[in-house]
Amino acid sequence: AQTVTQSQPEMSVQEAETVTLSCTYDTSESDYYLFWYKQPPSRQMILVIRQEAYKQQNATENRFSVNFQKAAKSFSLKISDSQLGDAAMYFCAYRSPERGLKYIFGTGTRLKVLA
Amino acid sequence: GAVVSQHPSWVICKSGTSVKIECRSLDFQATTMFWYRQFPKQSLMLMATSNEGSKATYEQGVEKDKFLINHASLTLSTLTVTSAHPEDSSFYICSFSRAGAGSNQPQHFGDGTRLSIL
Repeated sequence: AQTVTQSQPEMSVQEAETVTLSCTYDTSESDYYLFWYKQPPSRQMILVIRQEAYKQQNATENRFSVNFQKAAKSFSLKISDSQLGDAAMYFCAYRSPERGLKYIFGTGTRLKVLA
Repeated sequence: GAVVSQHPSWVICKSGTSVKIECRSLDFQATTMFWYRQFPKQSLMLMATSNEGSKATYEQGVEKDKFLINHASLTLSTLTVTSAHPEDSSFYICSFSRAGAGSNQPQHFGDGTRLSIL
């Protein structure tokens, strides 16, 4: 069975600095997709970034980028130039065609941004 | 972007009451709908998956008679918590997958419903 692990329950970063949130996963599938979601205090889940496993190039969305290490089954999220609005819970998620459209979510990392 | 409307956002009711939560996709057709439950400071736990016009598929450990899901149309799904008790208090979130979307496409989430049973 697939699992997703986020080993950092909480992280802090100074405003304008860079922070990396870690995520590891376990799967025997070759075709899958990885996502990072943000859940601010308003509680709505917001897609931050996604990565297709078959792509070697790391995904980037403005200040957000991933370090995807397929062999190590690692999918970390780097937030550059952190802003106060980045404070939220961040969830890593796994999805695959074999699982249909279901996500497997990690346990989340709470990110605090210090002014 | 896609918009999902979920309501009510917060409901407080007495033990034994049944509560209905609605989730609508406002600008796209959704063939598959997911209902999640989230306890404080925890991750989202998938409760069930429903496809329009067919019965929902419940995850292991989720009581289908307690949590009734109706996905009657491509834009509306409802979750009814029947005879709710304090242990059912939680945050419930719906999400849709667009019709024809593959596994690489994200789900679109509602804002969630905070259910408090007294």
